[in-house]
Amino acid sequence: NAGVTQTPKFQVLKTGQSMTLQCAQDMNHEYMSWYRQDPGMGLRLIHYSVGAGITDQGEVPNGYNVSRSTTEDFPLRLLSAAPSQTSVYFCASSLPDRLEAFFGQGTRLTVV
Amino acid sequence: GNSVTQMEGPVTLSEEAFLTINCTYTATGYPSLFWYVQYPGEGLQLLLKATKADDKGSNKGFEATYRKETTSFHLEKGSVQVSDSAVYFCALRPGGGSEKLVFGKGTKLTVNP
Repeated sequence: NAGVTQTPKFQVLKTGQSMTLQCAQDMNHEYMSWYRQDPGMGLRLIHYSVGAGITDQGEVPNGYNVSRSTTEDFPLRLLSAAPSQTSVYFCASSLPDRLEAFFGQGTRLTVV
Repeated sequence: GNSVTQMEGPVTLSEEAFLTINCTYTATGYPSLFWYVQYPGEGLQLLLKATKADDKGSNKGFEATYRKETTSFHLEKGSVQVSDSAVYFCALRPGGGSEKLVFGKGTKLTVNP
């Protein structure tokens, strides 16, 4: 099984550019989420989805959009990148009440 | 609200030393508790978990016990190896059916030969 796949692994953007971080899982997990990891901050929840067509905001949603048209995919969109969005982004998925979340390998984003 | 506090790093140990990484939490309801590990250049992997008071989670020689009275979930290993070098995250999942994870800030462990 591929598990949770994130693309790209690395990305450099200029301030004001837009882009989409891709996340796909092949485990038929209903719950998917996006986190950002910053030094000394741990992981903070950006957005999450409990199933196709349902999304909600996490702790730090500003500047990011998400959609969930299929069970497998949960893309994260940056509409107008800012230097404050320089971070490592992780996508995760899980089944309800199964306790273990599976993480992708991360996307390292630099906004200059 | 829900929060996790874990000891600041970095932690540097010699091989075969004893490891403790402290973790305390604040939560409403009855959370599940986790330790995740992140090896260099990789995503997070579940190391161990506990779902109720006095449960002990264990895996790969690591252990942690869910202590409700002290709201703690400290990670321990009796004899660390160089391959244990990683960042360790304590996390909680609030009770009531929430799937969200709340993470501590992480503790970087380096084990020297």
